[in-house]
Amino acid sequence: DTGVSQNPRHKITKRGQNVTFRCDPISEHNRLYWYRQTLGQGPEFLTYFQNEAQLEKSRLLSDRFSAERPKGSFSTLEIQRTEQGDSAMYLCASSLETRGTEAFFGQGTRLTVV
Amino acid sequence: GDSVTQMEGPVTLSEEAFLTINCTYTATGYPSLFWYVQYPGEGLQLLLKATKADDKGSNKGFEATYRKETTSFHLEKGSVQVSDSAVYFCALSSANQAGTALIFGKGTTLSVSS
Repeated sequence: DTGVSQNPRHKITKRGQNVTFRCDPISEHNRLYWYRQTLGQGPEFLTYFQNEAQLEKSRLLSDRFSAERPKGSFSTLEIQRTEQGDSAMYLCASSLETRGTEAFFGQGTRLTVV
Repeated sequence: GDSVTQMEGPVTLSEEAFLTINCTYTATGYPSLFWYVQYPGEGLQLLLKATKADDKGSNKGFEATYRKETTSFHLEKGSVQVSDSAVYFCALSSANQAGTALIFGKGTTLSVSS
């Protein structure tokens, strides 16, 4: 059972730099989600893919954020010109295309912008 | 929009005490409801779920009943253990939400002492 894998687990970057995170979902899952979690808060939805198509983006996802899921497999989340407010845990989850099915989460990438 | 409100923590209990963590929701239509748990240093894991009114989800001694009349999904356990210490998140997945993305509460930290 490979589960959802996220890399890197931790990233420290200087303000203004670009960062990219990777998520490898469970292989048969066609839905992939990105969430952001800040200290003391629950995860907040950022964006969602069904196969390779990005079907929705939250208002939280500013123009500096971009996500891709080429060929409907792994996904990347890039943040350009990072700001201190981007410091958070970035979570990836995957699920099957069935209402009420559970989403499986990765362990997250903790981003610290200094 | 859809939202989840759960009781604020931390909740501190002695081993074998009874646990209740309150969760209420606001949603149009008929959402699916979930409890996720985050153990220290680990990713979010599904604890239990219920997909329609009056359903009871249960797992590892935890239970929660989907109450449409009170829009609630309170988490209960009859006798907590030290190993239950974690952060618990109530969440909903709405048919009106794109891709059934989850909406989370802020989380409740449970600390159980022996």
